[in-house]
Amino acid sequence: GAVVSQHPSWVICKSGTSVKIECRSLDFQATTMFWYRQFPKQSLMLMATSNEGSKATYEQGVEKDKFLINHASLTLSTLTVTSAHPEDSSFYICSARVAAGQPQHFGDGTRLSIL
Amino acid sequence: AQSVAQPEDQVNVAEGNPLTVKCTYSVSGNPYLFWYVQYPNRGLQFLLKYITGDNLVKGSYGFEAEFNKSQTSFHLKKPSALVSDSALYFCAVRVNFGNEKLTFGTGTRLTIIP
Repeated sequence: GAVVSQHPSWVICKSGTSVKIECRSLDFQATTMFWYRQFPKQSLMLMATSNEGSKATYEQGVEKDKFLINHASLTLSTLTVTSAHPEDSSFYICSARVAAGQPQHFGDGTRLSIL
Repeated sequence: AQSVAQPEDQVNVAEGNPLTVKCTYSVSGNPYLFWYVQYPNRGLQFLLKYITGDNLVKGSYGFEAEFNKSQTSFHLKKPSALVSDSALYFCAVRVNFGNEKLTFGTGTRLTIIP
């Protein structure tokens, strides 16, 4: 149980394009999902908390106009990297938890490479 | 502010020997503590958590961790290491109220030597 699916797993695109990453909770409803960014050989950094039906809460230093988050249903949150540039290349990971206080369960991540 | 320290970037253990991956934390209030494991190009897999109660918690794949309030530590342990335990391990903390923001340590790469 508590499976989180993330798609795509790997994407390469040209500078200036926008990329959408999907995060789905497959066997539970998730009112809250989390988006992280992980640089090579570094820890996870929380980018934003995604709340179903409301605006996401962004961490300090994360550009909300750059990283658009939509949580339109209880099983789907999307992260769109707008006008992506090479410095946006990274490993993006989402997570969700079954209920408040329960552990977060993570997707397998999306490797984004901007040329 | 909350923080997690994993003092060892790399831990090497011979197969069959006991292993320990260290974690200390700092948080205002009572902590919720977690261990996760990450394999190459994958997300994180939940191993175990401490919320309250018994200081020794048991998790997946034979791992356990001991919560020590006085030392603010939550070290991950396993009595007998397997080669398949080789991976990147993250300790994480959050407070037991308010938002659910997890703060992760920098990770410890565990290598089990056959």
